[in-house]
Amino acid sequence: QLQLQESGPGLVKPSETLSLTCTVSGGPIIISDYYWGWIRQPPGKGLEYIGSSFYTGSASYSPSLRSRVTISVDTSKTQFSLRLSSVTAADTAVYYCARHHHHGWVDSWGQGTLVTVSS
Amino acid sequence: QSVLTQPPSVSAAPGQKVTISCSGSRSNIGDNYISWYQQLPGTVPKLLIYETIKRPSGIPDRFSGSKSGTSATLAITGLQTADEADYYCGTWDGSLSAHVFGSGTKVTVL
Repeated sequence: QLQLQESGPGLVKPSETLSLTCTVSGGPIIISDYYWGWIRQPPGKGLEYIGSSFYTGSASYSPSLRSRVTISVDTSKTQFSLRLSSVTAADTAVYYCARHHHHGWVDSWGQGTLVTVSS
Repeated sequence: QSVLTQPPSVSAAPGQKVTISCSGSRSNIGDNYISWYQQLPGTVPKLLIYETIKRPSGIPDRFSGSKSGTSATLAITGLQTADEADYYCGTWDGSLSAHVFGSGTKVTVL
């Protein structure tokens, strides 16, 4: 059973960089047809796709966040990570790491981690 | 503002049927597979439908998906109180080169 677990600070100051890591267990990170990505959900609001990366490093990002986001995959550690720079209060959300098929659907989710942007 | 439009809420009595629409454009719904997710209060979203019409193992056949043109629909028959949740559609958008989600629909069982 594939398991994804997010880790990282729960509090980030405005203008700083949010960094999260997702550890993959119970299945391979090197796998064709699937991407490793991040999705967030502001409190009381809907889901927002942030971006995703194939294990080779080929990545795609939401146009609205593209200038601030980097997603990378470390196959040796079976982890992938998210970096979101110049954060503001609008970036406060539950951040989920996830695996999604190249045809689009998300079949595995982490438990989610709340990241609050505040001084 | 979501690229995919869903009604904010739908409701029906137990045992009845509800349908949730997801409206988009050719670059997303029109040209790609649709997925649907159920998010019970305080929980992680769960995949209900993939490849527009398929159900993962363990998802009852009360849940079904369809698509016509640039709109997709999730139908829930034999509505149960356990179905009270938020539901999201999702797909790839070729113009944005990104995955997109719908705005979400809250299902209430009367």
